[in-house]
Amino acid sequence: GDSVTQMEGPVTLSEEAFLTINCTYTATGYPSLFWYVQYPGEGLQLLLKATKADDKGSNKGFEATYRKETTSFHLEKGSVQVSDSAVYFCALSDHSGGGADGLTFGKGTHLIIQP
Amino acid sequence: DAGVIQSPRHEVTEMGQEVTLRCKPISGHDYLFWYRQTMMRGLELLIYFNNNVPIDDSGMPEDRFSAKMPNASFSTLKIQPSEPRDSAVYFCASSLARVGGFFGQGTRLTVV
Repeated sequence: GDSVTQMEGPVTLSEEAFLTINCTYTATGYPSLFWYVQYPGEGLQLLLKATKADDKGSNKGFEATYRKETTSFHLEKGSVQVSDSAVYFCALSDHSGGGADGLTFGKGTHLIIQP
Repeated sequence: DAGVIQSPRHEVTEMGQEVTLRCKPISGHDYLFWYRQTMMRGLELLIYFNNNVPIDDSGMPEDRFSAKMPNASFSTLKIQPSEPRDSAVYFCASSLARVGGFFGQGTRLTVV
């Protein structure tokens, strides 16, 4: 079945550091890929998405490129801020048939940014 | 729009009791999803509706769980009887398409 694997956290960085959160996936077809962010005490918010190979999703300084050859969708940001501290979830949705619609999530990566 | 609204935000109940979680989706959205989040299993899709009709409930863990969507603006997830292993955060999400979605703030359920 479909699955998403993220690097385990917590990831602790200093403000203005470069961020990479790795995400790889397994899917039977050609999934759409997503990054969601969950701030403390809140629900998940869609951060960015990509629907086909080589697409780059971007939002709020974050970006991720859909790499079909490596089945990856790594999240990057050039200069993180304390306000970026949250849990980040990589997710996919596979429309090729079989399984449920909706999203398959990774376990989440807790990001802590220190001033 | 206020976004997806879930209630209650927190629920503590005794084992064996019935628990009902509620969700009001974003107006105009035709898909509604229920997810469960635990430390061990992460986020799992339980069930989703399209135009108020349940489409896939294969993620519902067992018969103790049931979900309804009587109209486009309201859905419930019911657990009867509840067990300690049901303790989790339950999220509702709505969308205009089969993927993505806007999530509510979640209901933290504790069964003691």
